[in-house]
Amino acid sequence: HLQLQESGPGLVKPSETLSLTCNVSGGSISSSAYYWGWIRQPPGKGLEWIASVFYSGRTFFNPSLKSRVTISVDTSKNQFSLKLSSVTAADTAVYYCARLNVLTFLEWPLVFVDYWGQGTLVTVSS
Amino acid sequence: IQLTQSPSSLSASVGDRVTITCRASQGISSYLAWYQQKPGKAPKLLIYAASTLQSGVPSRFSGSGSGTDFTLTISSLQPEDFATYYCQQLNTYPLTFGGGTKVEIK
Repeated sequence: HLQLQESGPGLVKPSETLSLTCNVSGGSISSSAYYWGWIRQPPGKGLEWIASVFYSGRTFFNPSLKSRVTISVDTSKNQFSLKLSSVTAADTAVYYCARLNVLTFLEWPLVFVDYWGQGTLVTVSS
Repeated sequence: IQLTQSPSSLSASVGDRVTITCRASQGISSYLAWYQQKPGKAPKLLIYAASTLQSGVPSRFSGSGSGTDFTLTISSLQPEDFATYYCQQLNTYPLTFGGGTKVEIK
């Protein structure tokens, strides 16, 4: 039974770097069938995909955040991480880590989130 | 690619048939998923590839559509179905979500 668990500070000061880690248990992060990613949700608002990473290190980013985002995977620890630099109050959100299933489909692969972490609230405030 | 969901909220009774629509700003073939989110919880995958039911999801949920227009239908609303529903396009990066549809008790 796959489980994803986010960890990291719940409070970050403006202009600093938000750092989160997702620990994956019950499955291998090195599987070629999945990407791993981060999605966030500001309080009372909708969902925003941030970035995804393959176990090999291949990455995809949301262009709106790309200049501030680093995503990486540590296969030895079966975990992946997110860093978001120069944070502001607008980055206050629940951050979810997720597994993205990759299926062969029509013209290119279908990639969708099939497992989510429980989410962790990160507040940006001085 | 922008996704517009309608309505943004609706009130319905147990046993009602509920339909939520999701319109994409450009064609995305069948590259669409639907999620259900309850307050304080992570979203849960319901449907992918526009119409494929995720394992373990009740058959009262169904999805249809292709191109730019999609629907999520709940054939007979149950008490546990009161939640917010999101569509997500899987065709092009960045992956984007619709604004959500909140289904409330009438």
